[in-house]
Amino acid sequence: AQKITQTQPGMFVQEKEAVTLDCTYDTSDPSYGLFWYKQPSSGEMIFLIYQGSYDQQNATEGRYSLNFQKARKSANLVISASQLGDSAMYFCAMRDDFGNEKLTFGTGTRLTIIP
Amino acid sequence: DTEVTQTPKHLVMGMTNKKSLKCEQHMGHRAMYWYKQKAKKPPELMFVYSYEKLSINESVPSRFSPECPNSSLLNLHLHALQPEDSALYLCASSPDRERVREQYFGPGTRLTVT
Repeated sequence: AQKITQTQPGMFVQEKEAVTLDCTYDTSDPSYGLFWYKQPSSGEMIFLIYQGSYDQQNATEGRYSLNFQKARKSANLVISASQLGDSAMYFCAMRDDFGNEKLTFGTGTRLTIIP
Repeated sequence: DTEVTQTPKHLVMGMTNKKSLKCEQHMGHRAMYWYKQKAKKPPELMFVYSYEKLSINESVPSRFSPECPNSSLLNLHLHALQPEDSALYLCASSPDRERVREQYFGPGTRLTVT
């Protein structure tokens, strides 16, 4: 069975600083995908970034990058130059690649950016 | 257009009421999903439709009844709900079951059962 762990229930970061949100996972499947979603207070889940288990390079999308350490089974999200609009709940999620469309989510980290 | 719309935004219903949640997308996606999210918890998958056929039911109680009348529309019919069913109900779609990576979520319906 898959499991996602996010150990930081909440984080406070000064505006313009970089922030790292932790995510570790557990799976016995050799092929899987890792996702990060942002959920503002409005409720919508916004896809941020994706990393495939066989991708050679860490994924990057604008200010977001994923620090993928396969041997340690970690997939931390790094947000550079944080902005007030980054304040939200952040979820790490995983799916295996064997035709399983189910996403397994972590418990989330609430990020608050301080002006 | 990468939008998934959900109506209503908010819904308050009594335990004896019957109501429906609606989800719509016009991206040509053939997989659609219902998730339930309790406060301060991650989303939990309820149902998956693939090509208008129910492909996954995560042991959801029968008081929740999904329906996919066409490829653009997904409904969730609610009947005899309990107060513990109060939650944010999220709809999502993806091009097909395989391409979960391209899953788009709607803004959700906040349901309160009194």
